[in-house]
Amino acid sequence: NAGVTQTPKFRVLKTGQSMTLLCAQDMNHEYMYWYRQDPGMGLRLIHYSVGEGTTAKGEVPDGYNVSRLKKQNFLLGLESAAPSQTSVYFCASSYTDRGAWGTGELFFGEGSRLTVL
Amino acid sequence: RKEVEQDPGPFNVPEGATVAFNCTYSNSASQSFFWYRQDCRKEPKLLMSVYSSGNEDGRFTAQLNRASQYISLLIRDSKLSDSATYLCVVDTPGSGGYQKVTFGIGTKLQVIP
Repeated sequence: NAGVTQTPKFRVLKTGQSMTLLCAQDMNHEYMYWYRQDPGMGLRLIHYSVGEGTTAKGEVPDGYNVSRLKKQNFLLGLESAAPSQTSVYFCASSYTDRGAWGTGELFFGEGSRLTVL
Repeated sequence: RKEVEQDPGPFNVPEGATVAFNCTYSNSASQSFFWYRQDCRKEPKLLMSVYSSGNEDGRFTAQLNRASQYISLLIRDSKLSDSATYLCVVDTPGSGGYQKVTFGIGTKLQVIP
């Protein structure tokens, strides 16, 4: 029972390099999210998707792009990495819109630790 | 004022003690409330939802006070395995018909033998 899987788990980049984080879920969830977690701050939403082929900006979208070509996959791209993007990135998925007339539980991946030098 | 505020701690308590955390939220339109648990260097996992009537799950009790806009988590008979960071999560109606999910910074609990 894999749940939500993120790759890679760790990555070190130099300023200006690009990379893609992959998130895959096997629960047939419609909704998928990318968060970043920094010391002293709560999880912050970068981008989210409410279904295959759709994406939307979250709280801190600048410097990131996303794509949801397949329902089970949600990709997060950094086109030109900056030291400010050093963080732990979490992907999450949920069956319904989180909290809309119900309690849609968020299922998180194990996280991807990114360091930008 | 932050949308969701938590005391980051750490709360250091002996095994068997009772400990309580509070979390305040600023938007009175917030609709749903949750506690997540996050172990060191791991992902957050849902601990429990918080209902208006209060709810209990074993040694854990969650309460919601809408008038004062806070939620609480009570842990009785603390175990070493309860050591973790507890995240307060609040859902608020946002634009476009979707809920805005806001996470607190978390309260760190360390249970001491």
